[in-house]
Amino acid sequence: GESVGLHLPTLSVQEGDNSIINCAYSNSASDYFIWYKQESGKGPQFIIDIRSNMDKRQGQRVTVLLNKTVKHLSLQIAATQPGDSAVYFCAENIRNFNKFYFGSGTKLNVKP
Amino acid sequence: SAVISQKPSRDICQRGTSLTIQCQVDSQVTMMFWYRQQPGQSLTLIATANQGSEATYESGFVIDKFPISRPNLTFSTLTVSNMSPEDSSIYLCSVGGQANTGELFFGEGSRLTVL
Repeated sequence: GESVGLHLPTLSVQEGDNSIINCAYSNSASDYFIWYKQESGKGPQFIIDIRSNMDKRQGQRVTVLLNKTVKHLSLQIAATQPGDSAVYFCAENIRNFNKFYFGSGTKLNVKP
Repeated sequence: SAVISQKPSRDICQRGTSLTIQCQVDSQVTMMFWYRQQPGQSLTLIATANQGSEATYESGFVIDKFPISRPNLTFSTLTVSNMSPEDSSIYLCSVGGQANTGELFFGEGSRLTVL
């Protein structure tokens, strides 16, 4: 993966507001996508996934939207809480099941 | 889900030395992966550790620099050879989840600082 510099883009939101985190993926052949959450000092943690035959998938407080036309993925977090503060990565699977490539990441900062 | 343990969790290393990171999984898995996460950046796939055969390396990573072992279905090692400060990173072991989910599970990572 290409580096995007030493600082991840940051999204700051107020507690209780909705958050939208965006990701552009690179390969039109990708058929499976996952959003991961990484808290400081920890490994990435699965949030939600979506396959390329879907445009939208909902989980608990989270929704993932997939736009294959423009190769864009978004993660919506409803009623954002301080515990949601973390770095969020999208990951794409290119044909080879279980082999994932990660996007550049966004740091979410939730203000109480 | 899989529980993944990595050792060491962190280390400070001298330039020119090599360090081996261990990854232990609590269940048998077919494929294990090693990622690198440089400070403030995303995860970059280094290689796929295949049991019974050589690891498959991604572009920009070579076996001489990052030799990998996979002696069985629950264990793998990654060695960072002849380290330089540019190798200071978090190294993460991951394994695939159930076949129908495709989810990757990650260890907590090994944070290496090279002086």
